[in-house]
Amino acid sequence: DAKTTQPPSMDCAEGRAANLPCNHSTISGNEYVYWYRQIHSQGPQYIIHGLKNNETNEMASLIITEDRKSSTLILPHATLRDTAVYYCIVRVAYGGANNLFFGTGTRLTVIP
Amino acid sequence: GAGVSQSPRYKVAKRGQDVALRCDPISGHVSLFWYQQALGQGPEFLTYFQNEAQLDKSGLPSDRFFAERPEGSVSTLKIQRTQQEDSAVYLCASSLTRTATGELFFGEGSRLTVL
Repeated sequence: DAKTTQPPSMDCAEGRAANLPCNHSTISGNEYVYWYRQIHSQGPQYIIHGLKNNETNEMASLIITEDRKSSTLILPHATLRDTAVYYCIVRVAYGGANNLFFGTGTRLTVIP
Repeated sequence: GAGVSQSPRYKVAKRGQDVALRCDPISGHVSLFWYQQALGQGPEFLTYFQNEAQLDKSGLPSDRFFAERPEGSVSTLKIQRTQQEDSAVYLCASSLTRTATGELFFGEGSRLTVL
């Protein structure tokens, strides 16, 4: 599975949109982009995933560039409860390793 | 509850002791994963079960680590002769699908401290 690069930390004002970038320049055509987040003292929580089209759910939006070498997770109206470590993960849809490679993620702090 | 349950939440062991960590996955979930998370790091894969079969144990750091899921439901991670470097949070996750492609549901973890 391709590796990802994320900034180690970011701040966002409460109520504003949080835009978390992820670079995955070696992504293959059959690899999806997944986002998980981990709030302090809890297990990781699935947020969203996508292949090449932009995706949106009740938690967030995922914007994937046309060349698929980078993506952005958007939390449209950040709240204090969104303070967490956000992990961008790339993996194949079928086959491949049986695990997710988390890396060290981006620590998002939402400021009141 | 309907989520993944892990016990104990906290465990303190003296170096050399054996420990057992339990995971109750979501009912009906085929896949079960164990991860180890050191302080300040992301979770790292240990092992994977599909029903009762342990299909991947490539992440287990040594032969002191052993996992089982005998009836395809509850799983136990056992660490023998614990060492200080084993101190970490051990996370269990389950998934409805047969691989890691579907959404993984994680428990809150078991924090192991080896003195």
